[in-house]
Amino acid sequence: AQRVTQPEKLLSVFKGAPVELKCNYSYSGSPELFWYVQYSRQRLQLLLRHISRESIKGFTADLNKGETSFHLKKPFAQEEDSAMYYCALSGISGSRLTFGEGTQLTVNP
Amino acid sequence: DSGVTQTPKHLITATGQRVTLRCSPRSGDLSVYWYQQSLDQGLQFLIQYYNGEERAKGNILERFSAQQFPDLHSELNLSSLELGDSALYFCASSELQGPGANVLTFGAGSRLTVL
Repeated sequence: AQRVTQPEKLLSVFKGAPVELKCNYSYSGSPELFWYVQYSRQRLQLLLRHISRESIKGFTADLNKGETSFHLKKPFAQEEDSAMYYCALSGISGSRLTFGEGTQLTVNP
Repeated sequence: DSGVTQTPKHLITATGQRVTLRCSPRSGDLSVYWYQQSLDQGLQFLIQYYNGEERAKGNILERFSAQQFPDLHSELNLSSLELGDSALYFCASSELQGPGANVLTFGAGSRLTVL
């Protein structure tokens, strides 16, 4: 079975502060991990995936297999980062994505 | 629009009724997924189709069914509706293989309200 846990439903930080959105997973094989984001009045969209090892909009996420975590980090939060963030996991290629319950990030001015 | 299109955007109906939600995948995507998002819950996977065939099933109720047609559009049928079925239903599509596999393109969702 595959499971994704996002322990924080709500996270509030001030502009310019570092932010970390936590994600833990359970999966018996080698998973692929993603972060999806939904800005207000927009569709859910891919933010980044661990195999790309990219920094998107200043966000990075490192897969830690030992801790089964894939936390999303940004050193200096911006107001436009306020959104709902979902961590997701997939097993074999082309299989379903399992999503966490999401974290609502609010960046205050 | 070459993205994922869902209709209707909003639907209000009564308990016991039946509704059909429709989804057109992104151009070129053969795989379609349905997710349910209820209040205070994340995205719950319902079912996946690939090129007309059911590929994976999640926590989909027996009152719910889906299919994917030869033109690749998909329909989610919800019957004997209950108050608890009120939710946002998302459709997503993806390639099945290659670098785009597992990267889902989402529709705007269909908001179902059961009164």
